[in-house]
Amino acid sequence: NAGVTQTPKFQVLKTGQSMTLQCAQDMNHEYMSWYRQDPGMGLRLIHYSVGAGITDQGEVPNGYNVSRSTTEDFPLRLLSAAPSQTSVYFCASSYSILAGGPAGELFFGEGSRLTVL
Amino acid sequence: AQTVTQSQPEMSVQEAETVTLSCTYDTSESNYYLFWYKQPPSRQMILVIRQEAYKQQNATENRFSVNFQKAAKSFSLKISDSQLGDTAMYFCAFMKRVTGKLIFGQGTTLQVKP
Repeated sequence: NAGVTQTPKFQVLKTGQSMTLQCAQDMNHEYMSWYRQDPGMGLRLIHYSVGAGITDQGEVPNGYNVSRSTTEDFPLRLLSAAPSQTSVYFCASSYSILAGGPAGELFFGEGSRLTVL
Repeated sequence: AQTVTQSQPEMSVQEAETVTLSCTYDTSESNYYLFWYKQPPSRQMILVIRQEAYKQQNATENRFSVNFQKAAKSFSLKISDSQLGDTAMYFCAFMKRVTGKLIFGQGTTLQVKP
């Protein structure tokens, strides 16, 4: 049982480059989300999705795009990387609370450390 | 907007002793969940304990328990019989019911000393 899988685990980019962080889950979770973790600031929500074809912005969406074409995958795209996007990124998923799933528990991937030079 | 505050950036405790991590939150919602997540050096986020706001009884999970004071908007985590494996960063988090969106505190780094 793989759970939530993120790739790559480490990435170094130059300013202005683009890249996609991949996230896949095999638990048939409706809800998926992306967080970034910065020292002293906890984790902050970037974007989230409550199901295939539906996405919405979180606290810090600027500079990031997402799409949700399937239930399993939720990629995060950086179109033009900036040094301020140096961070550790976490993908998380959960059952839909509306569907009566376990109340609120998020399952996290192992994180992706991104450095933008 | 909801906020979560952890006022203790770092704490330490001797092995086998008890330690309490503090968390306060601010919300106008009445229906929500509160969580404590653990992040060891491996970086993996692990759910420690969950509390539903409508439940008055404090949640417990083995050596971990919470003191949930709804009126004071306080949600502290008590770790009993601390073990070396408890060394980690601990995050308090808030979720408005049905949204699935977590609001995290800044984190408390806990070191358990032998």
